Amino acid sequence: DAGVTQSPTHLIKTRGQQVTLRCSPKSGHDTVSWYQQALGQGPQFIFQYYEEEERQRGNFPDRFSGHQFPNYSSELNVNALLLGDSALYLCASSSPGRANEKLFFGSGTQLSVL
Amino acid sequence: DQQVKQNSPSLSVQEGRISILNCDYTNSMFDYFLWYKKYPAEGPTFLISISSIKDKNEDGRFTVFLNKSAKHLSLHIVPSQPGDSAVYFCAASATNFGNEKLTFGTGTRLTIIP
Repeated sequence: DAGVTQSPTHLIKTRGQQVTLRCSPKSGHDTVSWYQQALGQGPQFIFQYYEEEERQRGNFPDRFSGHQFPNYSSELNVNALLLGDSALYLCASSSPGRANEKLFFGSGTQLSVL
Repeated sequence: DQQVKQNSPSLSVQEGRISILNCDYTNSMFDYFLWYKKYPAEGPTFLISISSIKDKNEDGRFTVFLNKSAKHLSLHIVPSQPGDSAVYFCAASATNFGNEKLTFGTGTRLTIIP
């Protein structure tokens, strides 16, 4: 059973560019959340998608947007990249209706903005 | 505003002894707490959780204690093993299940000395 898979694993971009990160949830999970983990910090909640709609959003600017597809996979898009967007981006899947299923994280995409 | 705080960035413990990791929170709306463990180049993995209606939850070598009046929780690992060396994140949720939006602390790097 594959867990949460994220691609790519590493990415280098320059300021002002746009980036798209991808995530496939764990089998049986229908909800995808995205987190940003800056160096030396804990993961910070960006947003959560369920039934192809953004369900909750953290304190991130509109440059951060997402999408969920009918197969429950998800994309995170970041526009007009800033140096401060350099971080590990983690995708987590869950099934909110199943109380014993906690957030299951992927290994992340390491984004470097130069 | 750091709503979940882990004030010890690192901790070293002798193999076989008890490891105690601490976490404080400020948001009274949090009612579910989790500990995640993270190895390098991997995503965080769920370790143990506790609901605010309990003050202790035990799972094998891992026990989490919750003191609601002090807004403090701790993770006890006994006996500590070399494989426990990792970064431990405390996380909190304002839902009952902990599979919705999580607020993480900054983490404590635990090193078990053989």
